[in-house]
Amino acid sequence: DAGVIQSPRHEVTEMGQEVTLRCKPISGHNSLFWYRQTMMRGLELLIYFNNNVPIDDSGMPEDRFSAKMPNASFSTLKIQPSEPRDSAVYFCASSLWGEGNQPQHFGDGTRLSIL
Amino acid sequence: AQRVTQPEKLLSVFKGAPVELKCNYSYSGSPELFWYVQYSRQRLQLLLRHISRESIKGFTADLNKGETSFHLKKPFAQEEDSAMYYCALRSGGYQKVTFGIGTKLQVIP
Repeated sequence: DAGVIQSPRHEVTEMGQEVTLRCKPISGHNSLFWYRQTMMRGLELLIYFNNNVPIDDSGMPEDRFSAKMPNASFSTLKIQPSEPRDSAVYFCASSLWGEGNQPQHFGDGTRLSIL
Repeated sequence: AQRVTQPEKLLSVFKGAPVELKCNYSYSGSPELFWYVQYSRQRLQLLLRHISRESIKGFTADLNKGETSFHLKKPFAQEEDSAMYYCALRSGGYQKVTFGIGTKLQVIP
């Protein structure tokens, strides 16, 4: 298994532009998580899905952020409009929940820079 | 509310010296505790989970419910141990994981 796959690995864009981050979870996993990592705040959970349904989005900073999971093998995190303070590394993670409650497996992350 | 505290942002030790990365948690129920490691510009990887009671890469961690701690230890540090280490807590029966802010371990040759 290739693990959790995120794209792009790096994104540099100007403020005000729309940014879309993509994630493909591990096949068979039924839970998907989006995190933001910064030096000041560490790893923050933004939102997570169970069986494609958003369960907790309390970590989404504001209405500019949205996430979708149209099927079990794909999720997007969108920022519109983007701002310089959104610059961070965004990680996606997946896990199998309900059968032994396995730990989360992380992707390589997307390093986002908003100019 | 659950909270994970890693008091040291940076820990520097000499190669061969013992290592202890501190983690304290706040949670009233039965937690699951984890340690994740992130090598430079790589993905986070699971290092240990308390229910496994195993030793990975020479690291061990014991859950101390009385002190609400889950410190990560290794008797002899190696240069390749240099990385960011995150302590994490998952409340029993729930999926949400709370991470500490992380400790950067720097092993000096």
